[in-house]
Amino acid sequence: RKEVEQDPGPFNVPEGATVAFNCTYSNSASQSFFWYRQDCRKEPKLLMSVYSSGNEDGRFTAQLNRASQYISLLIRDSKLSDSATYLCVVNGGGSYIPTFGRGTSLIVHP
Amino acid sequence: GAVVSQHPSRVICKSGTSVKIECRSLDFQATTMFWYRQFPKQSLMLMATSNEGSKATYEQGVEKDKFLINHASLTLSTLTVTSAHPEDSSFYICSALGGAEAFFGQGTRLTVV
Repeated sequence: RKEVEQDPGPFNVPEGATVAFNCTYSNSASQSFFWYRQDCRKEPKLLMSVYSSGNEDGRFTAQLNRASQYISLLIRDSKLSDSATYLCVVNGGGSYIPTFGRGTSLIVHP
Repeated sequence: GAVVSQHPSRVICKSGTSVKIECRSLDFQATTMFWYRQFPKQSLMLMATSNEGSKATYEQGVEKDKFLINHASLTLSTLTVTSAHPEDSSFYICSALGGAEAFFGQGTRLTVV
C-alpha cells in the first residue's frame, strides 16, 4: 500500500459546482497534513494546511479524519481558475520528509 | 513567507554532458533539502534528501553516482546530473522545510537531446 494515495481523476466539473477530494495515508503517526496546488509545468504551492479541527479559507475547506486516516479538500463554487492538480502532502511520523500523493486533477469548465 | 530559489528553470543539453541545478533558501537556513523528480502525469518522486555538511541520502533506485548532490552551506544545495541521457529528461524540483511547511523551488525542466 502506498504511503499517500489520491484518486488521480480527472474531476471534470462545471463552474459553480462543489467538488471534494480525499487523500488517505498509511502512517498513523503522521503529524502534519497539507494540500498543495500545482499548475501545469509549475512548482507546487501551498493551498492550505489541514488542522485536526478542520479549517476553512474562503471557498476551500480542509478536514482531517485521524481515525480513518484521510484528509479531504472541499471546493465550493468552483471557478475556471481552480483547474489544477491538487496534491496531498503528509509529514512526520518519524520522518520529516514530505510525502506526496500523486495528485488529483481538477478541470472546471464553463 | 520563506522563499526557495531554483536555477536554471529550463535547460537543454546534449546526451553525455552534465547539468548542475542550484537550490537556494533565500530567507531561512535549511539544514535539509529534498530533491524530487516529476515525469509527465506522474507524482513528485523523492530522489534524495540533502543534508548540510554530510552525504545525501538517496532513495532506492536512484543512482548516487549519476545524481550528485552537494549541500555545502545552510542555504545552498546543488544537484548535478552527470552523463545525462534522454531518459533523464524530467522536471526536477527542490524543496526545503521551513518548520513543518515545505517550500519549493520553481523547478527545472531538463531536456536531454
